Amino acid sequence: EAQVTQNPRYLITVTGKKLTVTCSQNMNHEYMSWYRQDPGLGLRQIYYSMNVEVTDKGDVPEGYKVSRKEKRNFPLILESPSPNQTSLYFCASKGWETQYFGPGTRLLVL
Amino acid sequence: KNQVEQSPQSLIILEGKNCTLQCNYTVSPFSNLRWYKQDTGRGPVSLTIMTFSENTKSNGRYTATLDADTKQSSLHITASQLSDSASYICVGGGAGNNRKLIWGLGTSLAVNP
Repeated sequence: EAQVTQNPRYLITVTGKKLTVTCSQNMNHEYMSWYRQDPGLGLRQIYYSMNVEVTDKGDVPEGYKVSRKEKRNFPLILESPSPNQTSLYFCASKGWETQYFGPGTRLLVL
Repeated sequence: KNQVEQSPQSLIILEGKNCTLQCNYTVSPFSNLRWYKQDTGRGPVSLTIMTFSENTKSNGRYTATLDADTKQSSLHITASQLSDSASYICVGGGAGNNRKLIWGLGTSLAVNP
């Protein structure tokens, strides 16, 4: 089954404690991206990757890092999380036309 | 400024009824228009994708229309079901040096029995 998986699905952490949200896709897509979704603001792109070792900033990259060492994986790293990064995060991969989203990771930073 | 505006913000209909959601976009240069369905707390799921040269596209009970001249799109849902309760998001895709997706805020649809 074609899918995008994310882990963890729920995470509560404290300010400044580094965390990583993993993302994996099994569709051999070259393009992957990370979004955050906040009430009243819609989905906003954090980072995207056109292919292995190629990443670029989206609309709201501050406070986030990504890496793309393999085609299937695209982890999101928060080096020093802050409360304003409390949000619902989605990983996505895109084939020719269609973008497939993961189930989401709900993050609370205290 | 690239932007996508949707109306209404929310809508309540009875099961079995039809409804139409509206989307106005300002995306330049423009490439495509997408509609997604997002259930609460889950990732968006693609419903339709239309290029600038297409006027309509259907996916089951969902039919999207596109008027590139007026920069408007609509999503029509026929014979609504309880499972149609979700947020419906319109997304404009740019072209050339502006190959970004511009996301609308969505229309929240509630289908009541």
